[in-house]
Amino acid sequence: QVQLVQSGAEVKKPGASVKVSCKASGYTFTGYYMHWVRQAPGQGLEWMGWINPNSGGTNYAQKFQGWVTMTRDTSISTAYMELSRLRSDDTAVYYCARDNGTVGEMDVWGKGTTVTVSS
Amino acid sequence: DIQMTQSPSSLSASVGDRVTITCRASQSISSYLNWYQQKPGKAPKLLIYAASSLQSGVPSRFSGSGSGTDFTLTISSLQPEDFATYYCQQSYSTPVAFGQGTKLEIK
Repeated sequence: QVQLVQSGAEVKKPGASVKVSCKASGYTFTGYYMHWVRQAPGQGLEWMGWINPNSGGTNYAQKFQGWVTMTRDTSISTAYMELSRLRSDDTAVYYCARDNGTVGEMDVWGKGTTVTVSS
Repeated sequence: DIQMTQSPSSLSASVGDRVTITCRASQSISSYLNWYQQKPGKAPKLLIYAASSLQSGVPSRFSGSGSGTDFTLTISSLQPEDFATYYCQQSYSTPVAFGQGTKLEIK
């Protein structure tokens, strides 16, 4: 079945970086864009950007430009999201989500990776 | 950037009620509007895409309508498992944007 399996929870200190992985299975990884969305505790959904797994091309939300890096490894069908210079307000659940390509809907989601930034 | 505004922010209703949630875009997005359901501690789940198309496996009591700037999500007869938070999302242009969410609670 189609699924996205994310890496486990992380605890980081302010100023550090975190790299979250998202392993796809059950479909052709390079055939669908992958979005990254985060959700701070008790808050709504915030779009961070997408990566085209086929070309490696990316599109980041302006807020995250220069601060986030999205990459992929097609040999293992895995997308990555790295966020640098972490601050306490980056504490959130980070989701990867497949773009189905019809109208840009996110039809398959990972279970989320909790990133806690604390000194 | 396109802004998405949902109303109401929260809603109390009873099992069996008909419920409507509204989403408004700051500019026309044609039918590039999607709806998600999120339960506590879980990832969002796609319910409706392209404003009115029901995602496979989603019960038919969920429906969507609208185009341009105004959209609605309707649940025809609330079931206990429908109490959750609902988000709209525009996919017309980047940056992708979500509404702030509507929390549906049991009355």
